[in-house]
Amino acid sequence: DTAVSQTPKYLVTQMGNDKSIKCEQNLGHDTMYWYKQDSKKFLKIMFSYNNKELIINETVPNRFSPKSPDKAHLNLHINSLELGDSAVYFCASSQVIGSRTTEAFFGQGTRLTVV
Amino acid sequence: DQQVKQNSPSLSVQEGRISILNCDYTNSMFDYFLWYKKYPAEGPTFLISISSIKDKNEDGRFTVFLNKSAKHLSLHIVPSQPGDSAVYFCAASVWGAQKLVFGQGTRLTINP
Repeated sequence: DTAVSQTPKYLVTQMGNDKSIKCEQNLGHDTMYWYKQDSKKFLKIMFSYNNKELIINETVPNRFSPKSPDKAHLNLHINSLELGDSAVYFCASSQVIGSRTTEAFFGQGTRLTVV
Repeated sequence: DQQVKQNSPSLSVQEGRISILNCDYTNSMFDYFLWYKKYPAEGPTFLISISSIKDKNEDGRFTVFLNKSAKHLSLHIVPSQPGDSAVYFCAASVWGAQKLVFGQGTRLTINP
């Protein structure tokens, strides 16, 4: 029973297209995240949502729009895809206890390739 | 400005020996540190964490050491096993900031 699941695992698409990545967690956590792992392997925060409310938007282009219909889901929609968007995108969730972010649980990642 | 740095991209260790992975940070506000392990085509999985009020935390074969004055932490794996071969990320957080800041990872290879 997967704790954090994201789909699809692989996504190949052409420049200019719009695509979405879905994420669901069954851990009962109140906070969900999107992280991006770029070609240099850095894992960088993109967005953080707490109880469906956007908490962090880490200077991500507005072509990226997260949507949280409920606290178990955080989807990522990307408009007008560019070559530089090619990366691995990880969804994660954690419980925030007294303003402390505890360990985050990650999904398996979505490898996005823009051609 | 990379606030968490893992300066060794790779490390090779013989099975049964100790593996020591290092991590440095620049932000003195960080007060909680974590280590993650990542296999290819999988997401990172949590290994062990340490609060800044401690200087050591142990969990089975894994021990994390924190040196606040040097802004340095390390992960010791004893004894190293073939299944420990993976990329290890250190991460840090600031109380109240709902995010983890990651280093760039160190690829650990355990040789038989």
